[in-house]
Amino acid sequence: EIVLTQSPAALSLSPGEGATLSCRASQSISHYLAWYQQKPGQAPRLLIYDASNRAAGVPARFSGSGSGTDFTLTISSLEPEDFAVYYCQQRSTFGQGTRLEIK
Amino acid sequence: QVQLVESGGGVVQPGRSLRLSCAASGFTFNNFAIHWVRQAPGKGLEWLTLISHDEDTKYYADSAKGRFTISRDNSKNTVYLQMNSLRSEDTAVYYCAKEGVRGVLIPNYFDNWGQGTLVTVSS
Repeated sequence: EIVLTQSPAALSLSPGEGATLSCRASQSISHYLAWYQQKPGQAPRLLIYDASNRAAGVPARFSGSGSGTDFTLTISSLEPEDFAVYYCQQRSTFGQGTRLEIK
Repeated sequence: QVQLVESGGGVVQPGRSLRLSCAASGFTFNNFAIHWVRQAPGKGLEWLTLISHDEDTKYYADSAKGRFTISRDNSKNTVYLQMNSLRSEDTAVYYCAKEGVRGVLIPNYFDNWGQGTLVTVSS
């Protein structure tokens, strides 16, 4: 079974700064990785699928990259609404999440 | 627009059963698999089960095997999750989610989610 490890567990940044979130797979998963954003009390929202494709309606400041075992979600310039928990997912496995907090 | 609405959650005693429903609209329902994903309080996301677009294929996580059963009624655009022998560790928000790829039989990604329904297992 594939394990997804996200790092860091938490990240404190200020609006306007850039954010880089990492997801590492225990074995190669080609490009089959998705990223989700979850705000308190809300359902997860798909941001990125197939490692680098933005879902419908997702702002261009969100981008995904990587293949094989190492993947990155980049937020180019943080907006106040971007502070949330982010999960990566491959097939039936989710990472443990990265909490993006306002500094 | 795509909409998924869960219902059926509530407080239930350990060992009892509960059936959740997920009513879908805004897309061609019988073209897509549907998943259930849960989230225990303060915890991460856990995929539980999927049912294929044609009901023929069902997969379960180990935590759901033997106690949970997924089904769908394509005439009603609804998916169900029958949960038996509930335990305290089943306490969670349960989400249904639409598969993002048409016609596939395994999880790819989940492009639309319901708002979730809370299941609390407690005596």
